[in-house]
Amino acid sequence: DQQVKQNSPSLSVQEGRISILNCDYTNSMFDYFLWYKKYPAEGPTFLISISSIKDKNEDGRFTVFLNKSAKHLSLHIVPSQPGDSAVYFCAASAATGGGNKLTFGTGTQLKVEL
Amino acid sequence: GAVVSQHPSWVICKSGTSVKIECRSLDFQATTMFWYRQFPKQSLMLMATSNEGSKATYEQGVEKDKFLINHASLTLSTLTVTSAHPEDSSFYICSAEASYRDEQYFGPGTRLTVT
Repeated sequence: DQQVKQNSPSLSVQEGRISILNCDYTNSMFDYFLWYKKYPAEGPTFLISISSIKDKNEDGRFTVFLNKSAKHLSLHIVPSQPGDSAVYFCAASAATGGGNKLTFGTGTQLKVEL
Repeated sequence: GAVVSQHPSWVICKSGTSVKIECRSLDFQATTMFWYRQFPKQSLMLMATSNEGSKATYEQGVEKDKFLINHASLTLSTLTVTSAHPEDSSFYICSAEASYRDEQYFGPGTRLTVT
């Protein structure tokens, strides 16, 4: 049972344009969401997070939007740069019954082209 | 920022042998560490939560006798894959939790290949 889903396995964007990565979840107990960036054969690197009490969090070129009613979040990267090419994972955790255990999505491979 | 190391970064072992993977938080203390495994083109799957000084908590479907976890100090957790089989070949990643929820730092991972 995949509780966190990233339905797009890959995304290709031109440099300078906006990259939008999507994530859906099914567990209504999730109240904290994170995005990680991962290069091959390396561990994930934390990018940005959002609590369920917010609907938007911004950090530089990265903005995460949360739509609780739709159980959907998205990561916007603008402007996209070639160095952003990586696999992006969304992750979720629940305050009760799970501590800080993270449930990851399946990832989206982002390719930013020149 | 906080650094988490893993050793070894890759290992090849024969079927039936045991392999130990170390996870260290280099510049902070971690009362909780997590172990994940990732198959090619798949998500990171949490295997177990490792708490310093107590027994690890394993996720459903993970054999605790096969994947031995020891969190001996606030900076070190080890995962031992016992009697390894080819199906255990995977990418194992640990993470260490600092103080706040989003401060979970990941190690670089260990590629295990069992022949």
